[in-house]
Amino acid sequence: QVQLVQSGAEVKKPGASVKVSCKAFGYTFTSYYMHWVRQAPGQGLEWMGIINPSGGSTSYAQNFQGRVTMTRDTSTSTVYMELSSLRSEDTAVYYCARDSSGYFPYWGQGTLVTVSS
Amino acid sequence: EIVLTQSPGTLSLSPGERATLSCRASQSVTSSYLAWYQQKPGQAPRLLIYGASSRATGIPDRFSGSGSGTDFTLTISRLEPEDFAVYYCQQYGSSPRTFGGGTRVEIK
Repeated sequence: QVQLVQSGAEVKKPGASVKVSCKAFGYTFTSYYMHWVRQAPGQGLEWMGIINPSGGSTSYAQNFQGRVTMTRDTSTSTVYMELSSLRSEDTAVYYCARDSSGYFPYWGQGTLVTVSS
Repeated sequence: EIVLTQSPGTLSLSPGERATLSCRASQSVTSSYLAWYQQKPGQAPRLLIYGASSRATGIPDRFSGSGSGTDFTLTISRLEPEDFAVYYCQQYGSSPRTFGGGTRVEIK
């Protein structure tokens, strides 16, 4: 069955970068787009962007343009989200979510990123 | 960018009651590309409804979605104890994908 397994929690200092991974199981990796969504503590869901695992093309939300990079490794069926110039407001749980005709039936378990000096 | 406004912010109901959640879009959602998700504390969101009214796999029929254009509704016909959670709408008809701010359904 479809499963998305994310990397573990991270603690970073302001100004640093973080790279979160999401390994896909149970389907053809290159056949479905992958999204990244984040959720600050006690807040709602915020879409960050999308990557096409087949060709690697990406599209990012304007709020993250210039700070986020999404990549993939087809040999390991893994997508990555790297966020740079971290600030305290980036403290959040980051989710990968697999696309299916635009909506998200499959989600990773989430990765908590804490930004603190 | 399409802004989704969910109301009410919090709904206080008892088990067995009917819940009606609203999601209003700032502009028409293309082809009713509107989804609903349920989220419980410490868990990832769970897809309930897509295409405004189609139930996702394994979702009980007490959950139903309706609406088109700019006004959408999620209805839970009879609340079960496990239904008390936060619910989000999401549009996927245009980029950027956007989510509503959520409605918390709490036990009265």
